[in-house]
This record gives sequence, structure tokens and C-alpha cells, in this order.
Amino acid sequence: SQKIEQNSEALNIQEGKTATLTCNYTNYSPAYLQWYRQDPGRGPVFLLLIRENEKEKRKERLKVTFDTTLKQSLFHITASQPADSATYLCALGLYTDKLIFGTGTRLQVFP
Amino acid sequence: DAGVTQSPTHLIKTRGQQVTLRCSPISGHKSVSWYQQVLGQGPQFIFQYYEKEERGRGNFPDRFSARQFPNYSSELNVNALLLGDSALYLCASSLKGNQPQHFGDGTRLSIL
Repeated sequence: SQKIEQNSEALNIQEGKTATLTCNYTNYSPAYLQWYRQDPGRGPVFLLLIRENEKEKRKERLKVTFDTTLKQSLFHITASQPADSATYLCALGLYTDKLIFGTGTRLQVFP
Repeated sequence: DAGVTQSPTHLIKTRGQQVTLRCSPISGHKSVSWYQQVLGQGPQFIFQYYEKEERGRGNFPDRFSARQFPNYSSELNVNALLLGDSALYLCASSLKGNQPQHFGDGTRLSIL
């Protein structure tokens, strides 16, 4: 069956450390993958998009990797801050333009 | 520039009623998608429209329908509401497919 799995447990880290979030998928062949941030009561906010022929993308303190052989994406936030606390969603982009979302990982950054 | 706007922000309906949700995309965006998000889950794809034509449909019953207008705004209609339709309904717009989608803050629909 088709599945997208993100860390089901909340991730708690200390301010200044690097947060690493995982997105694994099975039985999909995505054309691209996106990461979003969602705060309570708000819509998801786009962070990064990485395409199937790209290995790594960076934007300021954010880095995403995409391994189509392992069927895995890793999302890193370096020098994390309490303001980074939120739920992070990965979404697979299929060739039909449809986005398939994971359930999200809640990140809590403590001072 | 204004982001994606959705109305209303909250709505309470009873079982069996019908509801219409509205979405205005970012200026210049021609693609609009609708998602349903229940508490603790990721958004689930319902529909995508591009240039006023349906380009994709998720695994939702025929009670769900949508359309896109010439100004690229969109409506989502849900008939014969069930308790299980209670959720946050999100609209997202993009320039075209395979591009980042920009979401509104959703309509919180509660069915009593």
C-alpha cells in the first residue's frame, strides 16, 4: 500500500541545536517533494521544494535532501530557535499535480 | 500582495445541510486546489482546478464538488453534510502545477 511516514512522536530539542525531521514513503514515484510549516489554527506555509533530480536544497537555516533510492527526505533546521516550534509537513508532488501530505512532525525548541 | 483568502473562517452546520466555501487565490495564480484536514492529520487532497478546468480529484464522495470562475477564484460545495465532514478546509493556489502551493488559513467547518 502507499504510505508517507513522518516521525509520529514530537521532536524536542534545545535552542541552537540542529533539528532533523524525516519523511519516508513507499509505493510512490514523486516528481518533487515539498516541506511546509504549520502553526496551530493556520494554513501550511511553503518552505522548500526539491525535485526528483536534485539531491539537496538550502534556504538560509533550512536544508532538505531527497533520496529517491531510499525513498526518503530529510529536513534540517540549523541553529534552531524557539520560534521554529511548529508542525512540519512533507508533501509528495505527483505528476498529476496532486500533493500527498504526511501526518506531520511537531517540533518543540526549548530555550 | 494579498495571500490566499478564504471565507468564511468558521462555519457551523447541521447534518444534511449544504455548505459553500470560497477561495480567492494570489493574484496571477491560475491553479487552485482544495484540501481537507482533520485534527492530527495532514491535509488530504480533494480537487485541483487549473484555468477553470478540473485537473484532479481525490478520493471523496460525489457530495463534494467545486468550480473555478473566470477570475480564478473558486468555490467548494458539500451536500448532505455528515458529522465526519467536520474539518479544516484549506485552499491553495499556485502559478501552475508542479509549483509551490500557497495556502489560506482555511475554513473551520463544524457539523452538529
